[in-house]
Amino acid sequence: SYVLTQPPSVSVAPGKTARITCGGNNIGNKNVHWYQQKPGQAPVLVISYDTDRPSGIPERFSGSNSGNTATLTISRVEAGDEADYYCQVWDSSRDHPLFGGGTKLTVL
Amino acid sequence: EVQLVQSGAEVKKPGESMKISCKGSGYSFTTYWIGWVRQMPGKGLEWMGIIYPGDSDTRYSPSFQGQVTISADKSISTAYLQWSSLKASDTAMYYCARRGSGSHDNWFDPWGQGTLVTVSS
Repeated sequence: SYVLTQPPSVSVAPGKTARITCGGNNIGNKNVHWYQQKPGQAPVLVISYDTDRPSGIPERFSGSNSGNTATLTISRVEAGDEADYYCQVWDSSRDHPLFGGGTKLTVL
Repeated sequence: EVQLVQSGAEVKKPGESMKISCKGSGYSFTTYWIGWVRQMPGKGLEWMGIIYPGDSDTRYSPSFQGQVTISADKSISTAYLQWSSLKASDTAMYYCARRGSGSHDNWFDPWGQGTLVTVSS
């Protein structure tokens, strides 16, 4: 079965750039979506189709996807970006969504 | 505004039954799939299943097939997740979320606020 691998944690200083990866076999051939979940809140879609930002999501959030790795990039990180981030694809072999294990972003 | 509003927190005993709800508003409820996602304490997101309220077509994750029942009442724009016999291991936060509109729009937005379920003797 298809597996998505995320690092458990990423730390970044305010104002710097955070990169959160999501690994999967030939993930570049799939559409990857990213969610932000702040403590005590429901997940929020921040990137769809690898690179698309939904309305209301700051331009500081961007995505890329190639080969075996998709990446969520957060530029000029702010304290308010501290959250868990999850990648998601559609597992076509099982016909259902699949989430990565999540990455906790800590703003130092 | 598109919104999903879930029912309130529940505290149940093992063996009891339960049904939680997710009410959609601000859009055509019958034309979007609604999914359910479990998040156990301190853990990640697990997809449970999905329903198309227009015709009640329902799909389950193999991990949850037979463990829960997903249903919908389109007359009141509400989807449901139910258990016939709860276990302590069902203790978790449960989210509903709307899938994108197109057949390939396999992302989820928005999400409900979550329903916390606690099962304890």
